[in-house]
Parts: sequence; C-alpha cells; structure tokens
Amino acid sequence: DTGVSQNPRHKITKRGQNVTFRCDPISEHNRLYWYRQTLGQGPEFLTYFQNEAQLEKSRLLSDRFSAERPKGSFSTLEIQRTEQGDSAMYLCASSPGLTAETQYFGPGTRLLVL
Amino acid sequence: AQSVTQLGSHVSVSEGALVLLRCNYSSSVPPYLFWYVQYPNQGLQLLLKYTSAATLVKGINGFEAEFKKSETSFHLTKPSAHMSDAAEYFCAVSGRGNNDMRFGAGTRLTVKP
Repeated sequence: DTGVSQNPRHKITKRGQNVTFRCDPISEHNRLYWYRQTLGQGPEFLTYFQNEAQLEKSRLLSDRFSAERPKGSFSTLEIQRTEQGDSAMYLCASSPGLTAETQYFGPGTRLLVL
Repeated sequence: AQSVTQLGSHVSVSEGALVLLRCNYSSSVPPYLFWYVQYPNQGLQLLLKYTSAATLVKGINGFEAEFKKSETSFHLTKPSAHMSDAAEYFCAVSGRGNNDMRFGAGTRLTVKP
C-alpha cells in the first residue's frame, strides 16, 4: 500500500495559464475525490468519481475546472485560465467505495497563481 | 445537508495537559463523523470515525471522541498532550454514502513544553 500520491507537490504559474494536476489513488480504490483547501480553512469538496464516472460536482467547480479519470485509476484536475483566487492546496483522496469508509488523502498540490 | 462547526480556531495546552477540541455538527440524517489531523505540508490523516456503533470512539495516538446526539457534538480529547500532537485538526461529517464530506474550518493545536 503506497498511499495516495499527487504530482506535482508545488506549482507556481502566471495568471491566465493552464495547469494540470495528477492524482494516483490507492490501488483498487473505486472512489476518488478532489478537494480544495485555502489557508485557514478546511478542505472543500470539488468533485468525486466512482471508477471512471464523475458522479458529483460542487458549485465551486467552475467551467474553468475539469476533472477526468479515464480508466478508473489515476485522475487529473485541470484549471484553465488560472486566476489568483485559484491559489490553494488541491487535495485528492480515495476510498474503497463502501459506506462509511475512510477517505485516504494524498499530500496535496499547492498552487500559487501570480 | 450536513455541516460542522469547530469552536476555537486555536487551542494551546501545556505538554501533559488534557486536550479538548470541540466540534458540533448539523445533519438532517444520522451522520458519520470523523476527526482528521494535518501536519504542515501534508495531507490529512484519519484519527477516528463514528459510524453509529459505540458512541465513545477510540482512535490513534491516544485520541478519543464521544458522540452525543442530544448535544449534537463530537468533541476530541486526549488525556495527556505530547509535543508531537501539535498540528491542525479537522472535524468532518458525511451522510450515508460518504460522497459529500463536509469539513470544519480546523483547530490549530499548539503544545507548550
């Protein structure tokens, strides 16, 4: 069990650029979640996948955000035309897909938009 | 809809003292409740969870929490603080299905020598 991994760990970009983050969940975990965490706040739910299907999206996920999980394994989160307000920690979590199970979190990708 | 409120954004205790971190929840359905810990520049690690079995839940690192329905609370305690407990602690709630976990704003615990 290697845990949830996320890459890159840090990303600095200029406003208006596109960025893409990757999340590799724990092997055989069916569910994969994306959260955003800003300074001094708890994680906020963005979206989640059951295998390759994206089942729910938060209102926080604007049209500039897109997430995919093409083969039901790793997932990518892309932000187009980044804005300074996108600066945050982006967390990925996975779970086996049972009720009341634990979500296992990755270390996060810290994004800074200049 | 579910939500949690963590009372106190910052708690400071002396090493060896009791740790009490407060969490109140709101849920329209029987909740699942969680406490996570986050160390600097790391992801969240589960301390313990309540899933409608025993109301007193024991977790890792000597932490425990008690679910009190009458008070809609799920406070986290540890009898004796250790320096390594210094971190950010998050309370979270979800309904059945666990596809929409809502976190509190967090409580930063400082442990003084």
